[in-house]
Amino acid sequence: DQQVKQNSPSLSVQEGRISILNCDYTNSMFDYFLWYKKYPAEGPTFLISISSIKDKNEDGRFTVFLNKSAKHLSLHIVPSQPGDSAVYFCAARDFGNEKLTFGTGTRLTIIP
Amino acid sequence: NAGVTQTPKFQVLKTGQSMTLQCAQDMNHEYMSWYRQDPGMGLRLIHYSVGAGITDQGEVPNGYNVSRSTTEDFPLRLLSAAPSQTSVYFCASSETGRAYEQYFGPGTRLTVT
Repeated sequence: DQQVKQNSPSLSVQEGRISILNCDYTNSMFDYFLWYKKYPAEGPTFLISISSIKDKNEDGRFTVFLNKSAKHLSLHIVPSQPGDSAVYFCAARDFGNEKLTFGTGTRLTIIP
Repeated sequence: NAGVTQTPKFQVLKTGQSMTLQCAQDMNHEYMSWYRQDPGMGLRLIHYSVGAGITDQGEVPNGYNVSRSTTEDFPLRLLSAAPSQTSVYFCASSETGRAYEQYFGPGTRLTVT
């Protein structure tokens, strides 16, 4: 039972345009949502997070949107740069414990 | 700060062999965890620890043991390796109460033949 789903295994975007990565979840007890970025042969690195009491969080070129009624979150990258090419994992924390549940990842390729 | 370090980077085992994957962090983080990454499966939690002497199971604990005798170290033991344990293993750590912002090590790629 996949509680965090990333339905797009890959995404290609032209440099300078907007990249939108999507994530759906099923567990209503999730209270924190995160995005991690992973380059080949490296560990994931934390990118941005959002609490379930908010609907938007922005950090530079990265914005995460949360739609609780739809159980959906998205990561917007504007403008996209070649260094953004990586695998992006969506993750969620279960309220009351520290465990994270990860999605399967989306490979983003930025085309110069 | 070295952050989170993992050794070895690569390992090949024969079925039935045992080994320990090492993980250390120098950030004085209480929370540490082990994940495995498999194609199409994302990152799955194996075991985690909220402090020295305290460990608990994650989503896929079978075939693995952990212990946490110090804040810094959190080794993962494979008791009797199986081909199904071929994977990339990541160790992570975070401050208590901020487990959502985990710092990951570079990973260990394990192949079991």
